[in-house]
Amino acid sequence: AQSVTQPDIHITVSEGASLELRCNYSYGATPYLFWYVQSPGQGLQLLLKYFSGDTLVQGIKGFEAEFKRSQSSFNLRKPSVHWSDAAEYFCAVSGEDTGFQKLVFGTGTRLLVSP
Amino acid sequence: DVKVTQSSRYLVKRTGEKVFLECVQDMDHENMFWYRQDPGLGLRLIYFSYDVKMKEKGDIPEGYSVSREKKERFSLILESASTNQTSMYLCASSSNQGPGEQYFGPGTRLTVT
Repeated sequence: AQSVTQPDIHITVSEGASLELRCNYSYGATPYLFWYVQSPGQGLQLLLKYFSGDTLVQGIKGFEAEFKRSQSSFNLRKPSVHWSDAAEYFCAVSGEDTGFQKLVFGTGTRLLVSP
Repeated sequence: DVKVTQSSRYLVKRTGEKVFLECVQDMDHENMFWYRQDPGLGLRLIYFSYDVKMKEKGDIPEGYSVSREKKERFSLILESASTNQTSMYLCASSSNQGPGEQYFGPGTRLTVT
């Protein structure tokens, strides 16, 4: 069965600084990987996804993530954070054993942006 | 754009009441999901459905049931609401085509008093 670990519960970044949110997954075969963002009181919005090909994937809002099979990681990055990026971020994984339809989510990382 | 709508953004119910949460998607997706979200626990899958009238239990189905009579609509039912079901409930849908990304509704914050 798949699992996802997001080791940071909270992260504070200054506006304009770079950001990296960590995600580690556990799955025997090649996973499908996703990052979602949730603004306060809202549903989840898909930022980006990886399922094959180039291991560096670009998403919306200037985010990117890199799949590293050797480290079982899929970290989310942004070169310059804006105040509007303050939100909760969830990493998720799916796999062949569930037909790639069920997602397993991490517990989330809350991003705070300081002026 | 995919649109997933949920019948209520906020709901307050009393212990023991029967509660219906409705979810509608407009993209002809085969799969629909109900999650609950609690601080520090992330999203936990309650039930999902991969076809009309088909359902499967997720990780925490106790105290809940679901109904899917039409492809676009997936209902979550709390037969007898309890205070420990106070939570944010999120509905999502996905297509069988592609890598399985799910599209979420805005959520229903349910308070049971």
